[in-house]
Amino acid sequence: AQSVTQLGSHVSVSEGALVLLRCNYSSSVPPYLFWYVQYPNQGLQLLLKYTSAATLVKGINGFEAEFKKSETSFHLTKPSAHMSDAAEYFCAVSDRNSGTYKYIFGTGTRLKVLA
Amino acid sequence: DAGVIQSPRHEVTEMGQEVTLRCKPISGHDYLFWYRQTMMRGLELLIYFNNNVPIDDSGMPEDRFSAKMPNASFSTLKIQPSEPRDSAVYFCASRPGTGVGNTEAFFGQGTRLTVV
Repeated sequence: AQSVTQLGSHVSVSEGALVLLRCNYSSSVPPYLFWYVQYPNQGLQLLLKYTSAATLVKGINGFEAEFKKSETSFHLTKPSAHMSDAAEYFCAVSDRNSGTYKYIFGTGTRLKVLA
Repeated sequence: DAGVIQSPRHEVTEMGQEVTLRCKPISGHDYLFWYRQTMMRGLELLIYFNNNVPIDDSGMPEDRFSAKMPNASFSTLKIQPSEPRDSAVYFCASRPGTGVGNTEAFFGQGTRLTVV
C-alpha cells in the first residue's frame, strides 16, 4: 500500500532563510506526487506536482521540489522564506498504475516564519 | 469557474441529529472525493466517485455515514445520527479525469462540523 511520511510536524525558519520540508513516499512504482498548502480556515491549494517529466518541479510562490527515486523522496524547498509562507503543507501521493485515483496525504508540516 | 463549492461552511448540531454536507464540483470534472480532516488523524479519504458512481468507500467510518452523487454537479455526505467524535473539517475535492495532464485534485473550502 502507498504511504507518505512527512518528517517534522512543525518547522520554524527565519524570514529570508531557506525552507526545507521533507517528504518520503512508499510505493512499488514511482507515483504521482504533490505538495499542497493550507492556510488557516481554507481548503488545500496545489503548490506543485510531479508526474514523471522533469525531476525538479517548480511551483507557485517560489517553491520547488525534487523527485529522487533512489531516496524515495520529494522534498519541498524555497530559497527565501516570506512571512506569507506561514501555513500547513501536505505531501500527497497518487498511484499512477493501479487504476485507483485516490490521494494519500501525509500528516502535514506546519511552517512558522519568524521575523 | 468558481471552484469546488461546499455548503455550509460551518455547522453546529446536537448529538443524534442528522447532518448533510453538500458539494458542487468543478464543471466537467469526472472524479469527486470526500475527505475528513482532524488533528488526530489528519486528512482521511472517506469515499470517491467516478462519473457519479462510488468507486471506493472503504474510508467511510461506519454505517452512520453515507454519500451520494445523484448527478455530475452535486454530491452529499450525510451523517445520521451524528456523534461528537464526528466533529471535523470535511473537504470535497474534484479532479478532471485521468491522464498526465489531469492528475491533481481541486479542493473546496471545507465544512467545519461541530457536534455537541
